[in-house]
Amino acid sequence: ETGVTQSPTHLIKTRGQQVTLRCSSQSGHNTVSWYQQALGQGPQFIFQYYREEENGRGNFPPRFSGLQFPNYSSELNVNALELDDSALYLCASSPRGAGDTQYFGPGTRLTVL
Amino acid sequence: EDKVVQSPLSLVVHEGDTVTLNCSYEVTNFRSLLWYKQEKKAPTFLFMLTSSGIEKKSGRLSSILDKKELFSILNITATQTGDSAVYLCAVYNNNDMRFGAGTRLTVKP
Repeated sequence: ETGVTQSPTHLIKTRGQQVTLRCSSQSGHNTVSWYQQALGQGPQFIFQYYREEENGRGNFPPRFSGLQFPNYSSELNVNALELDDSALYLCASSPRGAGDTQYFGPGTRLTVL
Repeated sequence: EDKVVQSPLSLVVHEGDTVTLNCSYEVTNFRSLLWYKQEKKAPTFLFMLTSSGIEKKSGRLSSILDKKELFSILNITATQTGDSAVYLCAVYNNNDMRFGAGTRLTVKP
């Protein structure tokens, strides 16, 4: 059984740029959730995808967008990067109907300069 | 507004001590409360609680939920240096997993 994987591990961008982060869900899981974790804080829910559709969204602006693919992998896109976007971005996958059974990937550390 | 509050924010103990971590919540459409351990990056699952008063136990860790008073505790007995981590409490309400800020536990030899 393959766990949740994320790429890249680390990323450095400058203000105004755009970034794409990737996540492969655990085998058999069709729901993917994305979180932003700032230093010293708990993860904050960005959005969830199920069957390639957004299935819930937290309090994040539209420049945070996502995609889910037929193989259930997912992307998080952030446009017009701001300094405050520097954070650890976590992806979690879960079986449909068991959204509280989330398995987290190792995260992508994004630094915006 | 939904919120999850953990206390204390940080804790330093010595090996062999027992610790109790607290989590209180105000969340609409509560479905479950979860505890995670985060050492470096990926939070790892510890417990999921859905019913009041039923203790869940795994080795030296245990947790219980009080849905009337809206809180949960995580106990760790006979702490070891390997227990040093951030412990996260989260509440799930069907689409949204809301996390607390975490408790940073440091166990000294």
